Amino acid sequence: DSGVTQTPKHLITATGQRVTLRCSPRSGDLSVYWYQQSLDQGLQFLIQYYNGEERAKGNILERFSAQQFPDLHSELNLSSLELGDSALYFCASSVDSLASPLHFGNGTRLTVT
Amino acid sequence: GEDVEQSLFLSVREGDSSVINCTYTDSSSTYLYWYKQEPGAGLQLLTYIFSNMDMKQDQRLTVLLNKKDKHLSLRIADTQTGDSAIYFCAESTDTGFQKLVFGTGTRLLVSP
Repeated sequence: DSGVTQTPKHLITATGQRVTLRCSPRSGDLSVYWYQQSLDQGLQFLIQYYNGEERAKGNILERFSAQQFPDLHSELNLSSLELGDSALYFCASSVDSLASPLHFGNGTRLTVT
Repeated sequence: GEDVEQSLFLSVREGDSSVINCTYTDSSSTYLYWYKQEPGAGLQLLTYIFSNMDMKQDQRLTVLLNKKDKHLSLRIADTQTGDSAIYFCAESTDTGFQKLVFGTGTRLLVSP
């Protein structure tokens, strides 16, 4: 168990809808990262937050947004969903130094029908 | 730019050693990681190595880094059927934040 909790585990929704994925980082970790894993794109970095502030952006679509709350949990919001958004979405956390590795949750599997 | 490449598939017999290879392009990589993903599960951190190290050993795992050739390998000694999974290498670069770039993953199949 990595200590990173993601909910829900599975999500099935229709195109055009909006969903929210939730992540609780490991105790003591200030940084949260979101990654998308799909068959054609592999593991892609989406966005990182540190202590409530956005730190870095990767290949995140404008339809997607995220935030980190004062209690350090994070939410990833996906809107106007398309079939191609079906993927496994991972959250990871770290203490946030280059010496601290990322610890990943078990992911949320999103299926858009 | 950042690019990490791995072979897609490796098959070994139980008890043999497995060697999973990875090449990366970013010479400013600071840390290199190996993660394991079992079916339906998340990414489990196996080990990592700092870029100024050549080798790191952790029980059955040995990581070798050839910085000149930008080549990283993971050796699993006495491979077990429970080691069957997808193995990802990832590089972290000193860009002021901890962004990992992952390889495509190597599917390891261990047969009895």
